[in-house]
Amino acid sequence: TQLLEQSPQFLSIQEGENLTVYCNSSSVFSSLQWYRQEPGEGPVLLVTVVTGGEVKKLKRLTFQFGDARKDSSLHITAAQPGDTGLYLCAGYTGGFKTIFGAGTRLFVKA
Amino acid sequence: DTAVSQTPKYLVTQMGNDKSIKCEQNLGHDTMYWYKQDSKKFLKIMFSYNNKELIINETVPNRFSPKSPDKAHLNLHINSLELGDSAVYFCASSLGTGGGNEQFFGPGTRLTVL
Repeated sequence: TQLLEQSPQFLSIQEGENLTVYCNSSSVFSSLQWYRQEPGEGPVLLVTVVTGGEVKKLKRLTFQFGDARKDSSLHITAAQPGDTGLYLCAGYTGGFKTIFGAGTRLFVKA
Repeated sequence: DTAVSQTPKYLVTQMGNDKSIKCEQNLGHDTMYWYKQDSKKFLKIMFSYNNKELIINETVPNRFSPKSPDKAHLNLHINSLELGDSAVYFCASSLGTGGGNEQFFGPGTRLTVL
């Protein structure tokens, strides 16, 4: 069974702080995606990483794919209340199916 | 302008009833999905269709039956609803079937079975 474990499950921080969330698996992924989901809405894609060791930046968000393509991290610099949401990682190993992690719920207090 | 739409947004019903959720995408995508998100926010694939053909059929009770009349629509019919079916159901679509394709999600349908 392919599993994606995300940590921490829940994170509550003050505006301006930095944070990192993790996505780990024993499986090797062809590609890995990060989505953000806000309450009452569906997930929205933030980034796709495909190469081991790849780093992508999206404004204050930095995404890294592990060298072995089994794990990924999302680092947010100077978090803002607008970053509040559920962050989901999703891995693809082949075939048609993408596996989602259980998510990290982030709350940024003003 | 809505890319992926679902109806209804909320569905409250009694155990044993039969209900349907409709999904439409106007993105011209070939692939559509149904996901179930439980109270712990775990998003689990149920079904996927590519050009009206079923390509993913996870271990889901056969009370759940998807139907794709055309590649822009994927509906989900649920027979004999049970308490454990209560969840948020998301429809999604993507351009292709492989990984790395961005999935566009609808706003979800919150199903509550009493």
